[in-house]
Amino acid sequence: KQEVTQIPAALSVPEGENLVLNCSFTDSAIYNLQWFRQDPGKGLTSLLLIQSSQREQTSGRLNASLDKSSGRSTLYIAASQPGDSATYLCAVSPSNDYKLSFGAGTTVTVRA
Amino acid sequence: GAVVSQHPSWVICKSGTSVKIECRSLDFQATTMFWYRQFPKQSLMLMATSNEGSKATYEQGVEKDKFLINHASLTLSTLTVTSAHPEDSSFYICSAREGEYEQYFGPGTRLTVT
Repeated sequence: KQEVTQIPAALSVPEGENLVLNCSFTDSAIYNLQWFRQDPGKGLTSLLLIQSSQREQTSGRLNASLDKSSGRSTLYIAASQPGDSATYLCAVSPSNDYKLSFGAGTTVTVRA
Repeated sequence: GAVVSQHPSWVICKSGTSVKIECRSLDFQATTMFWYRQFPKQSLMLMATSNEGSKATYEQGVEKDKFLINHASLTLSTLTVTSAHPEDSSFYICSAREGEYEQYFGPGTRLTVT
């Protein structure tokens, strides 16, 4: 059974600092990996999706890397802003049926 | 972009009653819908996968008779929590996908059973 772990569970940084969020998974046979943002009491917003054949994806200030062989992904958020405060979830899918296994998330607080 | 809605966003019901949650894809045809459950500060747990016109596939440990899922059309799936109890209180999130494209998530429904 796939286990997805996210470290740290919570993170607090001053505005402007770069964020590094880690995700690890136990079974490297994944189809893709996705990073989501969840605001309190809300649903999920997809940030980045990395196919298993890719090493990284970028969108604006966000960059996600994937090392499938070691079962790791890292989400980098450059020049953090208070609006980046949220919980960030990592999820992996074993096949194109998109049945996602989620980590517990990293709750980020960016202090103004 | 693809939009998925859920209704209601928050519901309170008494123990022993049933409650229905709707999940709709607003601008695409959802051939597959997924239902997740999330406890506070925990990850989302997949409950079941439903394909339009066929029976839902439940994950191990999820009671089929308690969580009834109906995917009657390409834009609507419903989750009915039957004979709800306080331990069923949770945040329920649906997602939908068209074909083999990525899935899009609804805003979630908070269920409180008193």
